[in-house]
Amino acid sequence: QLQLQESGPGLVKPSETLSLTCTVSGGSIGSGTYYWGWIRQPPGKGLEYIGIIYYSGSTYYNPSLKSRVTISVDTSKNQFSLKVSSVTAADTAVYYCARHSPHYDWGRGTFDYWGQGTLVTVSS
Amino acid sequence: SYELTQPLSVSVALGQTAKISCGGKNIGSKSVHWYQQKPGQAPVLVIYRDSNRPSGIPERISGSNSGNTATLTISRAQAGDEADYYCQVWDSSTAIVVFGGGTKLTVL
Repeated sequence: QLQLQESGPGLVKPSETLSLTCTVSGGSIGSGTYYWGWIRQPPGKGLEYIGIIYYSGSTYYNPSLKSRVTISVDTSKNQFSLKVSSVTAADTAVYYCARHSPHYDWGRGTFDYWGQGTLVTVSS
Repeated sequence: SYELTQPLSVSVALGQTAKISCGGKNIGSKSVHWYQQKPGQAPVLVIYRDSNRPSGIPERISGSNSGNTATLTISRAQAGDEADYYCQVWDSSTAIVVFGGGTKLTVL
């Protein structure tokens, strides 16, 4: 059974960089079958797409966050990561990692497996 | 940018049918996906590509999509269906995911 687990600091200071890692078990990022992504949800609000990555390192970002976001992959550790720079209180959210579309069905566009999410608070 | 509009809340009597709408310009030309999110939990995919159910999702949950509105239908509503529901579309040409604002379903 595929499982995803987010990890990283729960508290980040304003203007600093938020860093999270998603560890995948029960499946291989390096197999190249799927894309992998990040989504966030501010407390009491809706879901916001951050971006997705392929095992090769190809990335696609939400234009509204693109200037501050970097997603990377480490296939040797079966992990992918998220960095958000210059954070403000508006970046306080539960951050989810999830599995996106298979490469052979790029048009599908779903997130079918999700991690449990991790709350990141931006505060001094 | 593309926008999806959902009602903030929908109420349904126990055992009756709930319909949650998702509006978007010409959304019928896109594939719509739906997620269920219960308090404190991650979202769960319940409908993909307008009307397909992933394994384990009951048949009383269904979806449709036409014109400017996609609809999630929950028949014989149960207390366990109380949750937030989000619609989502994917633009494969730009690799942009768009979520609706979410609808809180209350089962009375």
